[in-house]
Amino acid sequence: GENVEQHPSTLSVQEGDSAVIKCTYSDSASNYFPWYKQELGKGPQLIIDIRSNVGEKKDQRIAVTLNKTAKHFSLHITETQPEDSAVYFCAATSSGGYQKVTFGTGTKLQVIP
Amino acid sequence: EPEVTQTPSHQVTQMGQEVILRCVPISNHLYFYWYRQILGQKVEFLVSFYNNEISEKSEIFDDQFSVERPDGSNFTLKIRSTKLEDSAMYFCASSARDDYGYTFGSGTRLTVV
Repeated sequence: GENVEQHPSTLSVQEGDSAVIKCTYSDSASNYFPWYKQELGKGPQLIIDIRSNVGEKKDQRIAVTLNKTAKHFSLHITETQPEDSAVYFCAATSSGGYQKVTFGTGTKLQVIP
Repeated sequence: EPEVTQTPSHQVTQMGQEVILRCVPISNHLYFYWYRQILGQKVEFLVSFYNNEISEKSEIFDDQFSVERPDGSNFTLKIRSTKLEDSAMYFCASSARDDYGYTFGSGTRLTVV
């Protein structure tokens, strides 16, 4: 089955700096890569996603990149703010069925004011 | 914004007892899921449900687990005889399509004593 590795496990940045979280996946059939943000005591919230026919996607301060050949994908947050502090999970899935999403191990991001 | 609603938010149960975790998915969604998250660990897939039947389940989802959509709005997870290791946060999720990101509920924290 799919295996998703995520790094780093914790990340501290100064407010205004950028944060980058990296993931790798094992199943070459995976074609949909969502990213989730989980705040304390809440469920994961979808913040951005990318499909395998696209190399990069941006939404305001958040961007994701995908390298299918290397099976790498990354989340980039620019101009970080204290409210960006949360646990971020990458995930991978193959559609064409009833998508079973495999999550990474999570990155705890702390933005220091 | 539409939400996935889970009840109760916290459930404490004796080992060996049955528990039912309840979820109300977003009304026009067709795909339903249960995931769990042991404290500090990643989110793990349990089961997906579509067209009134299980479409995929993980090795965690053994004979002690069952799911049901008893009416047009509720989606339940039953654990027949709880074990200590079932203690976790259980998240319900739904999606409109099988190739689209989930909306998660806020979770039910299950504590087995």
